[in-house]
Amino acid sequence: DVKVTQSSRYLVKRTGEKVFLECVQDMDHENMFWYRQDPGLGLRLIYFSYDVKMKEKGDIPEGYSVSREKKERFSLILESASTNQTSMYLCASTPLGSGNTIYFGEGSWLTVV
Amino acid sequence: AQSVAQPEDQVNVAEGNPLTVKCTYSVSGNPYLFWYVQYPNRGLQFLLKYITGDNLVKGSYGFEAEFNKSQTSFHLKKPSALVSDSALYFCAVRDTGGYSTLTFGKGTMLLVSP
Repeated sequence: DVKVTQSSRYLVKRTGEKVFLECVQDMDHENMFWYRQDPGLGLRLIYFSYDVKMKEKGDIPEGYSVSREKKERFSLILESASTNQTSMYLCASTPLGSGNTIYFGEGSWLTVV
Repeated sequence: AQSVAQPEDQVNVAEGNPLTVKCTYSVSGNPYLFWYVQYPNRGLQFLLKYITGDNLVKGSYGFEAEFNKSQTSFHLKKPSALVSDSALYFCAVRDTGGYSTLTFGKGTMLLVSP
């Protein structure tokens, strides 16, 4: 089975802190994604990566950055957390090819106070 | 640009009755279509997808979906609902070309009453 692991399920951070959300997949997938989920808004794409050291902006990249130094790991970084970044963050991965299923992690609940 | 519409925020159905969760999409090329389910405080679980071929797609937990190109729809169906089907359901679309990403609808909450 494909496994996408988000290391932190629940985090509470202070405004202005730097926050790292880590995601690891064990299926050698080329593509990895970070989504944000908010009630009534569904899932919105923050960043994605189709290869090591490659990144592409999604629909809402402002206030976020990403890092992909190894194929299996895709990190989301909040340089200076703000309260409007309180949300559920979902990591996902898939092999190359648009018809392939995208697999999701369990999510990271981030609260910024 | 691609987009997905789920016109109902919530669908209520009694256990044992058939259920339908609606989805329409917009994409420039040919679509790949997906349904995911999310239980409380969990990630998204894949249910089924349409890539090509038969318009009726069967998936996990007895769910199926019908692709209708002329109506640009991909409604999720189940002949007999279970209370345990109560969850949040997301439809998603991906263009067949290039490095396209998956675009999600806003989700439909399905509530199945005993």
